[in-house]
Amino acid sequence: SQQGEEDPQALSIQEGENATMNCSYKTSINNLQWYRQNSGRGLVHLILIRSNEREKHSGRLRVTLDTSKKSSSLLITASRAADTASYFCAESGAGTYKYIFGTGTRLKVLA
Amino acid sequence: DVKVTQSSRYLVKRTGEKVFLECVQDMDHENMFWYRQDPGLGLRLIYFSYDVKMKEKGDIPEGYSVSREKKERFSLILESASTNQTSMYLCASSLLGGGSNQPQHFGDGTRLSIL
Repeated sequence: SQQGEEDPQALSIQEGENATMNCSYKTSINNLQWYRQNSGRGLVHLILIRSNEREKHSGRLRVTLDTSKKSSSLLITASRAADTASYFCAESGAGTYKYIFGTGTRLKVLA
Repeated sequence: DVKVTQSSRYLVKRTGEKVFLECVQDMDHENMFWYRQDPGLGLRLIYFSYDVKMKEKGDIPEGYSVSREKKERFSLILESASTNQTSMYLCASSLLGGGSNQPQHFGDGTRLSIL
């Protein structure tokens, strides 16, 4: 399988805490994207980081990329109950329109 | 906002039936995708299309076919449904420009049960 993996598979934290999710990917990427999926809904794009970038911020989200280790992490700061969802990374190589999604991290934020 | 609409949220069909899942997007996106999502397996690509009447196989195309007669509509067809095709099916679209640097926009999914 070419699928990447997220770690941990599940994470439960208190509101206000930070949540960190990690992604191991398999290919030589052009970029890596993070998506959120609320229960029973489709995925929503959160942030894209290119292979020549090391860190990117968007609001309370911070994404890092280490191409030497083929890994990325997503940090959500000051989490809220509304952040409860599954989070997926998706890798994409050069010259392709295909995305390879990881298996996801289920985040639960307790109020 | 981009809207990707899947025709049914829930669908129950019988083994051997021919099943059609419809997806429509309203943002003139060139690329459209069909995935299935199963617990512990994440999303797996079935087929994608980068233009009208153009299609390419994804990672798990067996037992499926697709049709793209109009730019805004991408249909997934289960030729003869089997119980192992019970799953959540997700449609997505994206712009062509910049290739895979474009984010994908997803519909809310169709939960298909094959009895």
